[in-house]
Amino acid sequence: DAGITQSPRHKVTETGTPVTLRCHQTENHRYMYWYRQDPGHGLRLIHYSYGVKDTDKGEVSDGYSVSRSKTEDFLLTLESATSSQTSVYFCAISERGRKGGYEQYFGPGTRLTVT
Amino acid sequence: DAKTTQPTSMDCAEGRAANLPCNHSTISGNEYVYWYRQIHSQGPQYIIHGLKNNETNEMASLIITEDRKSSTLILPHATLRDTAVYYCIVSPEDTGNQFYFGTGTSLTVIP
Repeated sequence: DAGITQSPRHKVTETGTPVTLRCHQTENHRYMYWYRQDPGHGLRLIHYSYGVKDTDKGEVSDGYSVSRSKTEDFLLTLESATSSQTSVYFCAISERGRKGGYEQYFGPGTRLTVT
Repeated sequence: DAKTTQPTSMDCAEGRAANLPCNHSTISGNEYVYWYRQIHSQGPQYIIHGLKNNETNEMASLIITEDRKSSTLILPHATLRDTAVYYCIVSPEDTGNQFYFGTGTSLTVIP
């Protein structure tokens, strides 16, 4: 499982409140990713990081910010949660495959409900 | 945008081979083909990936056509635990590669 944990695993929050999700990895991977998954959709990339303090936007980054102050932690923040951000959030790391390419490994997910 | 096309759903009899197709007609020379699966609401699980050559590991085989415009994931002896959504993804050999997931193929293994 590439040593990835996510916290919390479940959260219910109210519209307008800030929320921070944490992804923690223990194997010193450089690349980390945040995805969201909604019914009828595959995973969609929110933000990713290619090192400490180095982050970039994915395809659905509006309403989200991220921070990476340590290699092992990648934080996803919803500054003011909205009901449209109700989703399951997955964190992933990337490591180079033995035959080239980069394999991504995923955490267990965080189920967020915004009421 | 997902750069791949997969059937929405497939069935397979338990113990038989499951052959899951994927079209990626616009694949570039430096793009790999990756396969993942997702069981229930768990995180996606890496299965296999390849560039040009066919690949095999303990989970599955990946057959890539010579023109690289399509591929097939083969689960040689499907079990009930292989029931899942299977995603085919193409992504370049860049560091920090971004994966674009489509909606995948929902495989149901029937007893």
